[in-house]
Amino acid sequence: QAVVTQEPSLTVSPGGTVTLTCGSSTGAVTSGHYPYWFQQKPGQAPRTLIYDTSNKHSWTPARFSGSLLGGKAALTLSGAQPEDEAEYYCFLSYGGAGVFGGGTKLTVL
Amino acid sequence: EVQLVESGGGLVQPGRSLRLSCTASGFTFGDYAMSWFRQAPGKGLEWVSFIKSKAFGGTIEYAASVKGRFTISRDDSKSIAYLQMNSLKTEDTAMYYCGVYYRGLYWGHGTLVTVSS
Repeated sequence: QAVVTQEPSLTVSPGGTVTLTCGSSTGAVTSGHYPYWFQQKPGQAPRTLIYDTSNKHSWTPARFSGSLLGGKAALTLSGAQPEDEAEYYCFLSYGGAGVFGGGTKLTVL
Repeated sequence: EVQLVESGGGLVQPGRSLRLSCTASGFTFGDYAMSWFRQAPGKGLEWVSFIKSKAFGGTIEYAASVKGRFTISRDDSKSIAYLQMNSLKTEDTAMYYCGVYYRGLYWGHGTLVTVSS
């Protein structure tokens, strides 16, 4: 089974920009992995921010964007807000089966 | 408005069975793929299973950790997805979420399964 890797933790200053990445043990992440990004706050269910690499749900704040960057999927947060402090998970599809990354704990400080 | 409501969780002894349900509304259930995910206490998210719509053959996939013990199914007439969990182990203890791949991925709020003697 593939292993999906994320930074365990990142810190961003309020108003700052940060990029979270998502790599695959099988090689470059492509649009064919249909990358997803989820946000989860303590005690809450996850919610989808980005699907199919770069598409946003209606509730996704404009400051979040998704892309492919250097063989990885990337989630960029531009203009971080205190409420963005959360755990972020990426998810990749491998021909039907899915694999989550271990999550990135984002601190806004 | 898309809504997913999981039910059927609870406390169960190792080796026993449990069936989870995911009742959907707000979209044409039969047209979309569904998944089950789980999250053990204090741990990350894990994908459990996936079922495509009948239009796409109803293809089913399972994570290696549950293959042969769990069965996913769907009743499009009732807008419900199921996860039949047999031979439960203590390591299956988790919050179980269902999700629908409808213009992205919508999540339910989860149902807690505790496997303990």
